[in-house]
Amino acid sequence: DTVLTQSPALAVSPGERVSISCRASEGVNSYMHWYQQKPGQQPKLLIYKASNLASGVPARFSGSGSGTDFTLTIDPVEADDTATYFCQQSWNDPDTFGAGTKLELK
Amino acid sequence: QVQLKESGPGLVQPSQTLSLTCTVSGFSLTSYSVHWVRQHSGKSLEWMGRMWSDGDTSYNSAFTSRLSISRDTSKSQVFLKMNSLQTEDTGTYYCARNSGDGSYFDYWGQGVMVTVSS
Repeated sequence: DTVLTQSPALAVSPGERVSISCRASEGVNSYMHWYQQKPGQQPKLLIYKASNLASGVPARFSGSGSGTDFTLTIDPVEADDTATYFCQQSWNDPDTFGAGTKLELK
Repeated sequence: QVQLKESGPGLVQPSQTLSLTCTVSGFSLTSYSVHWVRQHSGKSLEWMGRMWSDGDTSYNSAFTSRLSISRDTSKSQVFLKMNSLQTEDTGTYYCARNSGDGSYFDYWGQGVMVTVSS
């Protein structure tokens, strides 16, 4: 299975820019997607196919990358962005998810 | 609007069978695939299997021998059955709709917490 590696946690101050990385153990083309999950809630789609903003998601969120290295950027970070962010690939079977990056605000 | 809602027992005994239902609204099961995804206690997400829009199914090999997904299109419901449950199957089970091009999950249910314990 394709392993997706994410850094476990980040802490930033409101107003700053943060980049969350996701590295795949094998190429996934551009089929990398990002989700935000807040405690007690279901995941919410943020970015699909590496760089496409999902409907209703603020333009502060953006995605980039292809192949094996992908990045989710939030600029500027707001207090409401405190959450865990997961990447997911759907190029190789089965679909797999990263372990999640917990974003905390200072 | 698009909605998915999981239902099922919150507690299952070890070695027993888990049965969950995902009831959808706002879209047709014959137009979109619906997937089951599991999450252990706030940790990562694990794709379990899918019901394709044409009625076919596919499963994660980690579950193949004990997982079954079916549907009733007249009731807009997708079902998950998994047997031989163990304590490590404890977690939150989500159903999610896959996008029109079949690559990402654009809508998720709220999830149902399942505890495997005697």
